[in-house]
Amino acid sequence: DAGVIQSPRHEVTEMGQEVTLRCKPISGHNSLFWYRQTMMRGLELLIYFNNNVPIDDSGMPEDRFSAKMPNASFSTLKIQPSEPRDSAVYFCASSETGNYGYTFGSGTRLTVV
Amino acid sequence: AQSVTQLGSHVSVSEGALFLLRCNYSSSVPPYLFWYVQYPNQGLQLLLKYTSAATLVKGINGFEAEFKKSETSFHLTKPSAHMSDAAEYFCAVSEGGGADGLTFGKGTHLIIQP
Repeated sequence: DAGVIQSPRHEVTEMGQEVTLRCKPISGHNSLFWYRQTMMRGLELLIYFNNNVPIDDSGMPEDRFSAKMPNASFSTLKIQPSEPRDSAVYFCASSETGNYGYTFGSGTRLTVV
Repeated sequence: AQSVTQLGSHVSVSEGALFLLRCNYSSSVPPYLFWYVQYPNQGLQLLLKYTSAATLVKGINGFEAEFKKSETSFHLTKPSAHMSDAAEYFCAVSEGGGADGLTFGKGTHLIIQP
C-alpha cells in the first residue's frame, strides 16, 4: 500500500490567497483526520471524518478553514484567505475503526508570506 | 476530555544507554495509547500502541512501553540507545480506538550523545 498521500509537500503562498491541501487516505480506511503542527501549539486535531461525514470540526481555528471529503479516497483542506499565522505543517491521517491504527501522511509544509 | 502530559521536553542520553520517555494521560474511559516518532521534516511513524490487551507492549526497533492504570502512565523505554534514535517522540491518547482523533502530548526531543 502506498500509505496516506498528501499533496503538495511544500506550498508557499502570499497572504490573502486561497490554499488547498489534498489527501488520499489508505484504501479501506473509513476515518480521516486533519492535523496541524506548529512549534507553539504542537499537534492539533482540526477535523475528522467517519465514512466521509464530518464528525467533529471543533478544532478548525476559524471560518477561513474548511474541509471536504467528497468520497472515500479524497479529502481537501482549504484556507481562504490565508494569513501568515496559518504557516505550519498540515498532516492527514487515516484509520480503520476497530483496528486501532492511525497512519499519517508525510505532511504539507505551508508558508504564508 | 482526554489529555497527555510528556514530562521533559528534551532528554539527553549516551549512546548504548537505556532511556525512558515519560507519558501520563487523562481519560474518562479506558484509553488507547500510542507512541509516535518524528524525524526532521518527516511525518509521524507509529512505534507501538496499547489497545487493552497486554500491559507491556513491544514495538518496532526494540521499543517497549508499559501501561500502568494506577499511575495513568505509558512510559516508553529502549534498552540501548542508537544514534538513529535521535528524534522527536510523541505520546497520544484516543478514546475511540480509531474512530475519533488522537490527542497528542507536546513531544520529547531525544538527543543521543556519542
